Amino acid sequence: AQKITQTQPGMFVQEKEAVTLDCTYDTSDPSYGLFWYKQPSSGEMIFLIYQGSYDQQNATEGRYSLNFQKARKSANLVISASQLGDSAMYFCAMREGVNTGTASKLTFGTGTRLQVTL
Amino acid sequence: NAGVTQTPKFQVLKTGQSMTLQCAQDMNHNSMYWYRQDPGMGLRLIYYSASEGTTDKGEVPNGYNVSRLNKREFSLRLESAAPSQTSVYFCASSPPRASGKSYEQYFGPGTRLTVT
Repeated sequence: AQKITQTQPGMFVQEKEAVTLDCTYDTSDPSYGLFWYKQPSSGEMIFLIYQGSYDQQNATEGRYSLNFQKARKSANLVISASQLGDSAMYFCAMREGVNTGTASKLTFGTGTRLQVTL
Repeated sequence: NAGVTQTPKFQVLKTGQSMTLQCAQDMNHNSMYWYRQDPGMGLRLIYYSASEGTTDKGEVPNGYNVSRLNKREFSLRLESAAPSQTSVYFCASSPPRASGKSYEQYFGPGTRLTVT
Protein backbone atom coordinates (compact mmCIF):
# COMPACT_ATOMS: atom_id res chain seq x y z
CA ALA A 1 0.00 0.00 0.00
CA GLN A 2 1.16 3.53 -0.71
CA LYS A 3 2.44 5.21 2.37
CA ILE A 4 2.10 8.70 0.93
CA THR A 5 -0.59 9.55 -1.62
CA GLN A 6 -0.78 12.76 -3.59
CA THR A 7 -3.83 12.53 -5.84
CA GLN A 8 -3.38 15.81 -7.72
CA PRO A 9 -0.82 15.39 -10.51
CA GLY A 10 -1.23 19.06 -11.47
CA MET A 11 -2.86 22.19 -10.10
CA PHE A 12 -3.36 25.71 -11.40
CA VAL A 13 -3.80 28.78 -9.22
CA GLN A 14 -3.99 32.46 -10.00
CA GLU A 15 -1.42 34.78 -8.56
CA LYS A 16 -2.37 36.10 -5.10
CA GLU A 17 -4.89 33.31 -4.53
CA ALA A 18 -4.51 30.54 -1.95
CA VAL A 19 -4.09 26.91 -2.99
CA THR A 20 -4.28 23.60 -1.14
CA LEU A 21 -2.17 20.62 -2.15
CA ASP A 22 -3.49 17.31 -0.86
CA CYS A 23 -1.54 14.61 0.91
CA THR A 24 -2.77 11.51 2.71
CA TYR A 25 -0.55 9.04 4.50
CA ASP A 26 -0.68 5.58 5.95
CA THR A 27 1.20 4.43 9.01
CA SER A 28 0.62 2.42 12.15
CA ASP A 29 3.51 4.11 13.94
CA PRO A 30 2.24 6.60 16.54
CA SER A 31 5.40 8.68 16.23
CA TYR A 32 5.92 10.11 12.77
CA GLY A 33 6.66 13.34 10.98
CA LEU A 34 5.26 14.87 7.82
CA PHE A 35 7.15 17.13 5.44
CA TRP A 36 6.60 19.20 2.36
CA TYR A 37 9.35 19.88 -0.13
CA LYS A 38 9.40 22.14 -3.17
CA GLN A 39 11.29 21.17 -6.32
CA PRO A 40 11.59 24.00 -8.87
CA SER A 41 12.51 23.30 -12.48
CA SER A 42 16.17 23.72 -11.54
CA GLY A 43 15.86 20.43 -9.67
CA GLU A 44 16.93 21.12 -6.10
CA MET A 45 14.82 19.96 -3.15
CA ILE A 46 13.79 22.77 -0.83
CA PHE A 47 12.42 22.02 2.63
CA LEU A 48 9.21 23.96 3.31
CA ILE A 49 7.50 22.76 6.46
CA TYR A 50 7.39 19.98 9.05
CA GLN A 51 4.64 18.61 11.30
CA GLY A 52 5.24 16.09 14.06
CA SER A 53 2.48 13.61 14.89
CA TYR A 54 2.37 14.82 18.47
CA ASP A 55 2.38 18.51 17.64
CA GLN A 56 -0.77 20.12 18.98
CA GLN A 57 -0.87 22.97 16.51
CA ASN A 58 -0.68 23.01 12.75
CA ALA A 59 2.74 24.05 11.48
CA THR A 60 3.17 27.38 9.73
CA GLU A 61 6.17 28.89 7.94
CA GLY A 62 5.50 32.25 6.35
CA ARG A 63 3.00 31.72 3.51
CA TYR A 64 3.01 27.95 4.03
CA SER A 65 0.80 26.15 6.49
CA LEU A 66 0.17 22.47 7.00
CA ASN A 67 -3.44 21.44 7.60
CA PHE A 68 -2.89 18.35 9.75
CA GLN A 69 -5.93 16.15 10.30
CA LYS A 70 -4.68 13.15 12.23
CA ALA A 71 -7.90 11.15 12.26
CA ARG A 72 -8.18 11.48 8.49
CA LYS A 73 -4.44 10.87 8.04
CA SER A 74 -4.12 13.94 5.89
CA ALA A 75 -1.44 16.62 5.81
CA ASN A 76 -2.42 19.16 3.19
CA LEU A 77 -0.16 22.07 2.29
CA VAL A 78 -1.80 25.47 2.04
CA ILE A 79 0.05 28.21 0.18
CA SER A 80 -1.45 31.63 0.73
CA ALA A 81 -1.07 34.57 -1.66
CA SER A 82 0.52 32.51 -4.45
CA GLN A 83 3.41 34.01 -6.36
CA LEU A 84 4.78 33.18 -9.80
CA GLY A 85 7.88 31.80 -8.10
CA ASP A 86 5.74 29.17 -6.38
CA SER A 87 5.41 27.30 -9.69
CA ALA A 88 7.16 23.99 -9.00
CA MET A 89 6.69 20.35 -8.05
CA TYR A 90 5.62 19.82 -4.46
CA PHE A 91 6.32 16.61 -2.60
CA CYS A 92 4.78 15.35 0.60
CA ALA A 93 6.97 13.02 2.64
CA MET A 94 6.79 11.06 5.88
CA ARG A 95 9.28 9.86 8.45
CA GLU A 96 8.23 7.01 10.71
CA GLY A 97 9.81 6.14 14.04
CA VAL A 98 10.58 9.71 15.00
CA ASN A 99 11.38 8.75 18.57
CA THR A 100 13.57 5.79 17.64
CA GLY A 101 16.80 5.71 15.76
CA THR A 102 18.86 8.65 14.64
CA ALA A 103 18.33 8.65 10.89
CA SER A 104 15.46 10.55 9.29
CA LYS A 105 14.46 8.17 6.50
CA LEU A 106 11.83 9.73 4.29
CA THR A 107 9.11 8.18 2.12
CA PHE A 108 7.90 10.51 -0.62
CA GLY A 109 4.69 10.86 -2.57
CA THR A 110 4.65 11.22 -6.35
CA GLY A 111 4.27 14.98 -6.22
CA THR A 112 1.92 17.70 -7.45
CA ARG A 113 2.96 20.14 -10.14
CA LEU A 114 1.71 23.62 -9.27
CA GLN A 115 1.44 26.28 -11.93
CA VAL A 116 0.78 29.85 -10.84
CA THR A 117 -0.84 32.02 -13.52
CA LEU A 118 -1.27 35.76 -13.91
CA ASN B 1 29.14 26.92 4.02
CA ALA B 2 28.66 24.93 0.83
CA GLY B 3 25.99 22.69 2.40
CA VAL B 4 25.68 19.37 0.56
CA THR B 5 27.76 19.02 -2.60
CA GLN B 6 27.59 16.26 -5.20
CA THR B 7 29.86 15.33 -8.07
CA PRO B 8 29.46 14.89 -10.93
CA LYS B 9 26.39 16.90 -11.99
CA PHE B 10 25.84 14.82 -15.12
CA GLN B 11 27.11 11.43 -16.25
CA VAL B 12 26.46 9.09 -19.14
CA LEU B 13 27.48 5.45 -18.76
CA LYS B 14 27.29 2.41 -20.97
CA THR B 15 25.62 -0.71 -19.62
CA GLY B 16 28.07 -2.65 -17.49
CA GLN B 17 30.33 0.28 -16.64
CA SER B 18 30.96 1.24 -13.04
CA MET B 19 31.13 4.60 -11.35
CA THR B 20 31.04 6.30 -7.97
CA LEU B 21 28.88 9.27 -7.09
CA GLN B 22 30.46 11.51 -4.51
CA CYS B 23 28.69 13.44 -1.77
CA ALA B 24 30.08 15.70 0.94
CA GLN B 25 28.54 17.92 3.60
CA ASP B 26 30.19 20.61 5.70
CA MET B 27 27.44 21.05 8.30
CA ASN B 28 28.80 18.49 10.78
CA HIS B 29 25.72 16.32 10.27
CA ASN B 30 25.70 12.77 11.57
CA SER B 31 23.28 11.16 9.12
CA MET B 32 23.53 11.01 5.35
CA TYR B 33 21.29 9.53 2.66
CA TRP B 34 21.16 8.57 -1.01
CA TYR B 35 17.89 8.83 -2.93
CA ARG B 36 16.95 8.31 -6.55
CA GLN B 37 14.22 10.15 -8.42
CA ASP B 38 12.69 8.61 -11.53
CA PRO B 39 10.45 10.58 -13.91
CA GLY B 40 6.98 11.13 -12.48
CA MET B 41 7.93 9.73 -9.10
CA GLY B 42 9.02 10.96 -5.75
CA LEU B 43 12.40 10.24 -4.25
CA ARG B 44 13.14 6.72 -3.06
CA LEU B 45 15.75 5.90 -0.46
CA ILE B 46 18.62 3.73 -1.69
CA TYR B 47 20.96 3.63 1.33
CA TYR B 48 21.56 5.69 4.40
CA SER B 49 24.18 6.13 7.08
CA ALA B 50 22.86 7.04 10.51
CA SER B 51 26.35 7.89 11.74
CA GLU B 52 29.98 7.56 10.72
CA GLY B 53 30.87 3.89 10.42
CA THR B 54 27.33 2.60 9.80
CA THR B 55 25.33 2.07 6.63
CA ASP B 56 21.92 0.49 6.04
CA LYS B 57 19.71 -0.41 3.11
CA GLY B 58 16.76 1.71 2.15
CA GLU B 59 13.84 0.92 -0.09
CA VAL B 60 15.73 0.25 -3.36
CA PRO B 61 19.33 -0.89 -2.57
CA ASN B 62 19.81 -3.52 -5.30
CA GLY B 63 22.62 -2.72 -7.72
CA TYR B 64 24.28 -0.19 -5.40
CA ASN B 65 26.93 -0.05 -2.72
CA VAL B 66 27.84 2.77 -0.38
CA SER B 67 30.79 3.90 1.69
CA ARG B 68 30.71 6.34 4.58
CA LEU B 69 34.31 7.44 4.19
CA ASN B 70 34.25 9.82 7.16
CA LYS B 71 31.72 12.12 8.80
CA ARG B 72 31.69 14.44 5.81
CA GLU B 73 31.59 12.06 2.86
CA PHE B 74 29.16 9.39 1.70
CA SER B 75 29.67 7.80 -1.72
CA LEU B 76 27.36 5.68 -3.86
CA ARG B 77 28.81 3.09 -6.22
CA LEU B 78 27.24 1.40 -9.22
CA GLU B 79 29.32 -1.70 -9.90
CA SER B 80 27.69 -2.65 -13.21
CA ALA B 81 25.33 0.03 -14.47
CA ALA B 82 22.00 -0.94 -16.03
CA PRO B 83 19.52 1.20 -18.01
CA SER B 84 17.07 0.82 -15.10
CA GLN B 85 19.49 2.90 -13.04
CA THR B 86 18.96 5.93 -15.25
CA SER B 87 17.74 8.49 -12.75
CA VAL B 88 18.53 11.63 -10.82
CA TYR B 89 20.46 10.86 -7.64
CA PHE B 90 20.20 13.04 -4.58
CA CYS B 91 22.40 13.01 -1.53
CA ALA B 92 21.07 14.47 1.72
CA SER B 93 22.18 14.94 5.31
CA SER B 94 20.41 15.65 8.59
CA PRO B 95 21.56 17.25 11.85
CA PRO B 96 22.22 15.27 15.03
CA ARG B 97 19.35 14.48 17.39
CA ALA B 98 20.72 16.82 20.05
CA SER B 99 20.09 19.76 17.72
CA GLY B 100 16.35 19.24 18.04
CA LYS B 101 16.10 19.42 14.26
CA SER B 102 17.14 15.93 13.26
CA TYR B 103 13.97 15.73 11.17
CA GLU B 104 15.33 18.27 8.66
CA GLN B 105 17.09 16.99 5.59
CA TYR B 106 19.35 19.12 3.47
CA PHE B 107 19.65 17.99 -0.12
CA GLY B 108 22.46 18.30 -2.62
CA PRO B 109 21.80 19.56 -6.16
CA GLY B 110 21.56 16.06 -7.65
CA THR B 111 23.42 14.01 -10.24
CA ARG B 112 21.64 13.23 -13.49
CA LEU B 113 22.77 9.76 -14.62
CA THR B 114 21.93 8.17 -17.95
CA VAL B 115 22.81 4.55 -18.67
CA THR B 116 22.63 3.54 -22.34
